[in-house]
Amino acid sequence: EIVLTQSPATLSLSPGERATLSCRASQSVSSYLAWYQQKPGQAPRLLIYDASNRATGIPARFSGSGSGTDFTLTISSLEPEDFAVYYCQQRSNSLYTFGQGTKLEIK
Amino acid sequence: EVQLVQSGAEVKKPGESLKISCKGSGYSFTSYWIGWVRQMPGKGLEWMGIIYPGDSDTRYSPSFQGQVTISADKSISTAYLQWSSLKASDTAMYYCARLGYSYGYPYYFDYWGQGTLVTVSS
Repeated sequence: EIVLTQSPATLSLSPGERATLSCRASQSVSSYLAWYQQKPGQAPRLLIYDASNRATGIPARFSGSGSGTDFTLTISSLEPEDFAVYYCQQRSNSLYTFGQGTKLEIK
Repeated sequence: EVQLVQSGAEVKKPGESLKISCKGSGYSFTSYWIGWVRQMPGKGLEWMGIIYPGDSDTRYSPSFQGQVTISADKSISTAYLQWSSLKASDTAMYYCARLGYSYGYPYYFDYWGQGTLVTVSS
């Protein structure tokens, strides 16, 4: 089973700053990597798929990059509504795993 | 508009059985896999399994194989997650989600239900 490790566990930033979240896979997942945002009391929302493609309706300040084992989610300029928990997810051999999450909190 | 609507919150006792549902609309229900994801209180997301309603092909996470049963009734566009004997450790929020395709494979969870909170307590 492929393990996804996200870092940092918690990221404290201010609105307007740039956020960089990392997701590392225990073995290559090619570009089969997605990112989700979850706010308290809400279901997760798909942000990025295929490592770098924004899902429908996702603002351009969200971008994804990487391939193989190292991936990054970047939020170029944080808005108040961006403070949430972010998860990465992969698919390999019909098995799916999520990272443990990064909590993005207001500094 | 794609929608997944889940059944309401449940409170059960240990040892009881339970079946929760997820009704899809706004798309061809038989053409997309549906997955189930567990979120225990204050914890992260765990993939449980997926089903293809078109032919009921089902895959389970090794962590949940034998612990739950996933099924679907394509005539009413509904997927199910069921337990035969609940434990206190099954207390969690359960989400269903549709899987979008990439390179022909079901891969990412593009639409999510609102979640069903299951509480198991004596």
